[in-house]
Amino acid sequence: QVQLVQSGVEVKKPGASVKVSCKASGYTFTSYSLSWVRQAPGQGLEWMGWISGYSGHTMYPQKFQGRVTMTTHTSTSTAYLEVRSLTSDDTAVYYCARGQTVNPYDGFDMWGQGTMLTVSS
Amino acid sequence: QSVLTQPPSVSAAPGQKVTISCSGSSSNIGNNYVSWFQQLPRTAPKLLMYDNNKRPSGIPGRFSGSKSGTSATLSITGLQTGDEADYYCGTWDSSLSAWVFGGGTKVTVL
Repeated sequence: QVQLVQSGVEVKKPGASVKVSCKASGYTFTSYSLSWVRQAPGQGLEWMGWISGYSGHTMYPQKFQGRVTMTTHTSTSTAYLEVRSLTSDDTAVYYCARGQTVNPYDGFDMWGQGTMLTVSS
Repeated sequence: QSVLTQPPSVSAAPGQKVTISCSGSSSNIGNNYVSWFQQLPRTAPKLLMYDNNKRPSGIPGRFSGSKSGTSATLSITGLQTGDEADYYCGTWDSSLSAWVFGGGTKVTVL
């Protein structure tokens, strides 16, 4: 069955970087895209960007441009999210979500279990 | 402040019906498909509805979606205690070139 399994809990200090992984299984990785979505404690969902599983092409909203990098490793069907210059505002659960198609605008049909990131001095 | 507007909460007794509204603009809901996601307590979101009114495999017919102009609606009939969750609408915003979500609606079964 389709599964997205994410890496474990992270605790970082302000100013540090974090890299979260999302390993896909049960489908052809290069036939779909992936988005990353985060959720701060008690808050709603926030889209952080999109990456094509086929080409590695990325798209980031303005808020995260320059501070976030999404990559893929097709041989292991794994996607990565790197966030730099962390602040306490980055404390959140980070989810990877499979795109319904190869396009960024077609929504998400499967979500990873989430990775909790705490940023604290 | 979310781009899409949802009521913070709705409630009803078991067996009753609830509707959740999602209001946007021409750059998002007005010209793109809407999805709905269900987030049970302490779990990841799950796709509940896509392309405005299509249910993924395994989602019961008690859940239905609709869209009119720049607003969308999720309806849940025959409400069950297991439906207690947060529900989010989402869609592509063509002006922002980004996915946007509503602030979420908490459904409580009385």
